[in-house]
Parts: sequence; structure tokens; C-alpha cells
Amino acid sequence: DAGVIQSPRHEVTEMGQEVTLRCKPISGHNSLFWYRQTMMRGLELLIYFNNNVPIDDSGMPEDRFSAKMPNASFSTLKIQPSEPRDSAVYFCASNPTGGSTEAFFGQGTRLTVV
Amino acid sequence: DQQVKQNSPSLSVQEGRISILNCDYTNSMFDYFLWYKKYPAEGPTFLISISSIKDKNEDGRFTVFLNKSAKHLSLHIVPSQPGDSAVYFCAVTGTASKLTFGTGTRLQVTL
Repeated sequence: DAGVIQSPRHEVTEMGQEVTLRCKPISGHNSLFWYRQTMMRGLELLIYFNNNVPIDDSGMPEDRFSAKMPNASFSTLKIQPSEPRDSAVYFCASNPTGGSTEAFFGQGTRLTVV
Repeated sequence: DQQVKQNSPSLSVQEGRISILNCDYTNSMFDYFLWYKKYPAEGPTFLISISSIKDKNEDGRFTVFLNKSAKHLSLHIVPSQPGDSAVYFCAVTGTASKLTFGTGTRLQVTL
């Protein structure tokens, strides 16, 4: 298995532009998580899905952020409009049960908003 | 409010010595605890875990200790090796079925 695949690995965009981050979870995993890593706050959970349904989006910073999971093998995180303070590394992770097992992370997307 | 705290942002240890990384949590309902390791430009990778019914779990050079009364988790690495240099995150989960991470501790193992 190739693991969790994220694209792009790096994204540089201008303030105000729309940004879409993509994730392909490990086949057979039921739960998918989006995290953001910053120096100040470490790894913050933004949203997680179970069986393609959003379960908890309380970590989404504001309405500019949205996430979808149209099927079991694909998810997107969209920021519209983007702002410089959104610059961070965004990770996608999946796990088989969504419960007490470890999550497997992708390599992340480094987003820079200038 | 930070539910999971790693109060030491960095730690430096000599090769061969013991590394001890600490983590505190606030919610007694958490029932599963994990440690992840992260190298630069890579995603975090799972290292070791422990459930709330245990107080110790060992895997080779890595041992995790859980003190439920103190709501404290620690990771011991012995002997420490240069390849252990990384950022270590503790994480907790409970009935909400989501992983909540601490802010991380950067471990530097020196020669």
C-alpha cells in the first residue's frame, strides 16, 4: 500500500486566491482527518470524517475553510479566500476504525500564502 | 484551551543516555494514549501506544508510562541514538474517536 497520499507537496499562492489540498486515504480505512501544523499550536485537528461523513469540524478556523469527502478514496480541504496566516503544513491522516488505533499520516502539504 | 500539553519544547540528550519526554492531559475520559515521531518534511509516524487499563508498555528501546491519577504520560528512550533526533508528539483519544495532539518536543541526541 502506498500510504496516505497528499497533493500538492508544496503550494505557494497569493492572498485572496482559492487553495485546494487533496488527500487519498489508505484503502479500507474508515476515518480521515485533516490536521494543520504550526509552530505555536503544534498539530491541530481541523476536521474528521467517518465513513465519508463529517463528524467533527469544530477545529475549522473559520468559514473560509471547507472540507469534503465525496467518496471513500478522496478528500479535499479548501481555503477561499486564502490569507497569509493560513501558511502552515497541512496533514491528512486515516485510520481503520476512527477509534483507539493509530492514524497514518501523509507527507503533508506546505502552504505559503504571500 | 490545550487539552494535551508538552511543556518542554526541546530536549538535548547525549547518545547512549536516557531520553524522557513528558506529556500532561486534562480530561480523565481519554482512554488511549499514543506517541508519534516526526522528521522534517515528513508526516508524523506512530511510535508506541498505551491504553488506560495499563500503566506501562514497552517496545524495544521505547517505553511509555501512564500515570492516570496525575494525568501524565511519559516516553522513555534508552539508549538514545542520533537517529532518534526528531519532534515527538503525544496524542490522546477517547469516545470522541479523534486524536488530539500536544505541541511537540524536539529531541536532539548528540554524539
